[in-house]
Formats: sequence, structure tokens, C-alpha cells
Amino acid sequence: QVHLVESGGGVVQPGGSLRLSCATSGFYFPTQGMHWVRQAPGKGLEWVAFINYDGRKIYYADSVKGRVTISRDDSKNTLFLVMNSLTTDDSATYYCARDSNIETAIFDSWGQGTLVTVSS
Amino acid sequence: DIVLTQSPATLSLSPGDTATLSCRASQTINHFVNWYHQKPGQAPRLLIYDASKRATGIPARFSGSRSGTDFTLTISSLEPEDFAMYYCQQRTSWPPITFGQGTRLEIK
Repeated sequence: QVHLVESGGGVVQPGGSLRLSCATSGFYFPTQGMHWVRQAPGKGLEWVAFINYDGRKIYYADSVKGRVTISRDDSKNTLFLVMNSLTTDDSATYYCARDSNIETAIFDSWGQGTLVTVSS
Repeated sequence: DIVLTQSPATLSLSPGDTATLSCRASQTINHFVNWYHQKPGQAPRLLIYDASKRATGIPARFSGSRSGTDFTLTISSLEPEDFAMYYCQQRTSWPPITFGQGTRLEIK
């Protein structure tokens, strides 16, 4: 059974940084593309970033480009998102989502999310 | 970027009814639209991919269709657990991947 568990969220001041993690199990992580998707409180879904299976293809939404880095550690079956220069607009629940294959942009499994609150 | 517009914003129906949710794309995107639902406090769940293919474990009462740039999610014989938020998402031209703003399906 596919299992995704995010962690690392919390309250951070504007301009601060956070590193989110997504621990995975139940599937062979090294061959899977992975995404981060976020949802501001009471709002819709916004795709944030993608990393392909070998880390050579990485894409970001314009809203986070230059401030966010997605990465993966296949030895630990874990996905990461490092966020810098955070603003209040970055306050959201961050979900990691598994791509249904290498690079399909079909999110077939989701974690439960980790809440990031940017506030002074 | 491709914009997806969902309608209606809110749909009020009763259990047993049939729900019809719409998603219109701002440009041609072939059949590469996915549908998700999200219950309060939970993560989204994939229902339909590529306009009409049901995801694993999704009941047959969920179906999807496409007509040009218009996509429809139909839920027949609504069950109490179907009342939730529904989002469409396109994967034709990415990045970026874009979602519609959502339709809230509520109990009448």
C-alpha cells in the first residue's frame, strides 16, 4: 500500500526558511516522479514543483521559482522541499503527491499534508 | 498558462441524485484532464484521469467525458460520502500543471 507522510511544517516568520520532507513506502521510489502541491487555507490546489525519477528534470511554478528547491534521497525513499524567503502567500498545507508513472502529471497518491504558516 | 474554469461553484443535490460538474479549458488540451475530490480535512483523491478513465478503486458511478474544451464529471446515484470539493486538473501542457478553482458538492 502506497504511503506518503509529510513533515517539517510549522510557523515561520516572513523571510524565513523551511525544509519539508515526504517519507514514502509501499512502492519503488527510485523509479517514480514526485510532486509538491499546496493549498492555502480555504482555497484551491496549486501545483508547486516536480522532480523526475533520477532528479535530472525539475520544474517549478512561477510563484516559487528561485525560492524553492525540490530534491530526493532515493536511499531513504524521501522527497524534500526547501523553501526560502517565505512570504505570507506561502502559507498553505503542502502535499507531496506521487506521479502515476515517470512524468505523467497524474497525481495517483497523496500524503496527508503538512501545514506551513508564515506569520510575524 | 492554461486556465480551467469549473462550474457551478456550488452544487446542491440530494443523495440518489445525479451530479454534473463542468470544467472548461481556455485552449485545446486534448483529453488530458484529471478529476479529484477532496473531503474536509483530507487530501485530494484521484477519481478520473485522461478525461474518462476511472482510477483504481473508484466506483462505476463516477464517469468523465469530453467535448472539445469542455470536460464533464458525472456522479450518478449520489452517496453521502460523495459530498465534497471537486477539482479538475490539466496535464496537456506543463509546466505549469493547473487546477480549476473547484466545485463544492453539498447536500441539499
